[in-house]
Amino acid sequence: GESVGLHLPTLSVQEGDNSIINCAYSNSASDYFIWYKQESGKGPQFIIDIRSNMDKRQGQRVTVLLNKTVKHLSLQIAATQPGDSAVYFCAEANSGGYNKLIFGAGTRLAVHP
Amino acid sequence: DTEVTQTPKHLVMGMTNKKSLKCEQHMGHRAMYWYKQKAKKPPELMFVYSYEKLSINESVPSRFSPECPNSSLLNLHLHALQPEDSALYLCASSQDEDRVVSGNTIYFGEGSWLTVV
Repeated sequence: GESVGLHLPTLSVQEGDNSIINCAYSNSASDYFIWYKQESGKGPQFIIDIRSNMDKRQGQRVTVLLNKTVKHLSLQIAATQPGDSAVYFCAEANSGGYNKLIFGAGTRLAVHP
Repeated sequence: DTEVTQTPKHLVMGMTNKKSLKCEQHMGHRAMYWYKQKAKKPPELMFVYSYEKLSINESVPSRFSPECPNSSLLNLHLHALQPEDSALYLCASSQDEDRVVSGNTIYFGEGSWLTVV
């Protein structure tokens, strides 16, 4: 999850559709992953997390999928709502060390009525 | 709503000023963090406090000086800042510092928007 570039990639979806936000992480030693949602002018809000011994974890309207083989993480949001519009960050950590989160670059989700 | 409270929400300061950002949490967490976030970029770790002691300083310039008066409070003292230090400063906390795992995840405050003129 290295941060790159000056422009956030944007995913535009229609209200009611499902959204899939992707994240590639770089450290093969990372074994814990979190998705955060950040609305404009606010701090990051915890959505869901997953440990490396799992491939999938479900929450309320959200699912996180982890593919360790290709170092890829995704966040699926079911029945996307206007309130889901925000920037979504994946974050990775290595549980063997201190409590350090490394954030990905972020994806802006724009939900259209 | 976040249980990590940051004040002030907005701060404008001159390059010769001394100001402080404050953070408070009442979740009984023993690890507290300062992150810096520039526009359209992800948060970047600055400091980690564990049990009121500084455990990580990510090579932050000395014009930023953290302080942890007690387990619920975290301050960031600012002095002689530069315009490029303008950013959103995020405070966060977790149960403890040891290992980022489920149940010990990091929760963020709403941030303090700092503008240096």
